[in-house]
Amino acid sequence: SSDLTQDPAVSVALGQTVRITCQGDSLRNYFATWYQQKPGLAPVLLIYPKDNRPSGIPDRFSGSSSGDTASLSIAGSQAEDEATYYCQSQDRYGHLSFGGGTKLTVL
Amino acid sequence: QVQMLQSGAEVKKPGASVKVPCKASGYTFTNHIINWVRQAPGQGLEWMGFMDPDPKYNLTGYAQKFQGRVSMTWNTSTSTAYMELNNLRSEDTAMYYCARVSVEIFSSEFQEVHYYYLDVWGTGTTVSVSS
Repeated sequence: SSDLTQDPAVSVALGQTVRITCQGDSLRNYFATWYQQKPGLAPVLLIYPKDNRPSGIPDRFSGSSSGDTASLSIAGSQAEDEATYYCQSQDRYGHLSFGGGTKLTVL
Repeated sequence: QVQMLQSGAEVKKPGASVKVPCKASGYTFTNHIINWVRQAPGQGLEWMGFMDPDPKYNLTGYAQKFQGRVSMTWNTSTSTAYMELNNLRSEDTAMYYCARVSVEIFSSEFQEVHYYYLDVWGTGTTVSVSS
């Protein structure tokens, strides 16, 4: 089981905006990091604290947080955004934890 | 470019051990912590632990679930990290990833917070445990 809770599945219409959430107590103290994973591939860093995108990640991906909930937003969803998204947090010792993942379907 | 190279697959019997290598290239090996993460078939990501090859620290830290059964080591001369898991059971069948850690530091009047994130992932090593 995970200390971070994500909805198992979310769908979005092509071109629309979707928000994927991640809830957990550690998020009251730490900003979340987000990863994208496509089938058969390793995860890819998507958003790192605080709402930073690595080079090559489109600006339609953004992160935000409020209280114990972190959110990943995808504006103008594309077919290639269909993937599983994981949030990640940490404790004060640098021990990481992951959410259970949200599988995004683009309709 | 930065790469974390992993071997393809290992097949082990229950009770055996596996030692998974991860060869880093494209950066100074001792400047970054490496984490190990596993993913069982059809499941999510599970954090296993970290190793800090900086000679000032030489640290390791493991998830409680794996304490006593996992060991993370490294060879600085070959820029290779290793994750060894002992007493394997069928539930250990998974893809094992190494990943480089980068740090983002936020400072305020009262504290400095270090955020650790995994910016470069290895391709993964499949470990299958079956009798």
